[in-house]
Amino acid sequence: QQPVQSPQAVILREGEDAVINCSSSKALYSVHWYRQKHGEAPVFLMILLKGGEQKGHEKISASFNEKKQQSSLYLTASQLSYSGTYFCGTGPDTEMTTDSWGKLQFGAGTQVVVTP
Amino acid sequence: DGGITQSPKYLFRKEGQNVTLSCEQNLNHDAMYWYRQDPGQGLRLIYYSQIVNDFQKGDIAEGYSVSREKKESFPLTVTSAQKNPTAFYLCASSISMQGNSPLHFGNGTRLTVT
Repeated sequence: QQPVQSPQAVILREGEDAVINCSSSKALYSVHWYRQKHGEAPVFLMILLKGGEQKGHEKISASFNEKKQQSSLYLTASQLSYSGTYFCGTGPDTEMTTDSWGKLQFGAGTQVVVTP
Repeated sequence: DGGITQSPKYLFRKEGQNVTLSCEQNLNHDAMYWYRQDPGQGLRLIYYSQIVNDFQKGDIAEGYSVSREKKESFPLTVTSAQKNPTAFYLCASSISMQGNSPLHFGNGTRLTVT
């Protein structure tokens, strides 16, 4: 089942902060975050694993709350280059079969527009 | 530079024709995937392959077929049985299918069927 991302879209001025949430109805083992610019391939940002630490990529960081089955992506002091659609991909915390780990379910995406 | 190459970038076909989308990677990754992306929706998994000569259906495999005869190549055929084939198709690979392996994506093929 697809995770639910919120908000669907956000418009920021350069330098402002934003939070994108990704919620699942299932227990999670991993959460991946990707950014896709229009007409391009999604680009990997970071992975958070059950029991792992909060991650960061430049001024973009993320947290993973295993109990709430959700992850949040934090865009801090946003730059124009942060514009794009952000997707979370969730890996289920089920029986530890290797193929289930890699079968990510992706959210519908959050469109981020950063303006000057 | 290592990466994933998808070709062509744009593809137009008439209804009722089969069409094959190419995906080649030189990252030496074991796992490869095909995703479909429609406006306003997330990426949906069509097929995946953990190793050469092995592949599994994803969530929306009906009307699609794949092969994995070489580690580097994972072509996707969209058959005439696929009821709504117009979409953006993304190929991806990862070192393995473990949950801590990031996906590397190609630039996609936009297929239009009329």
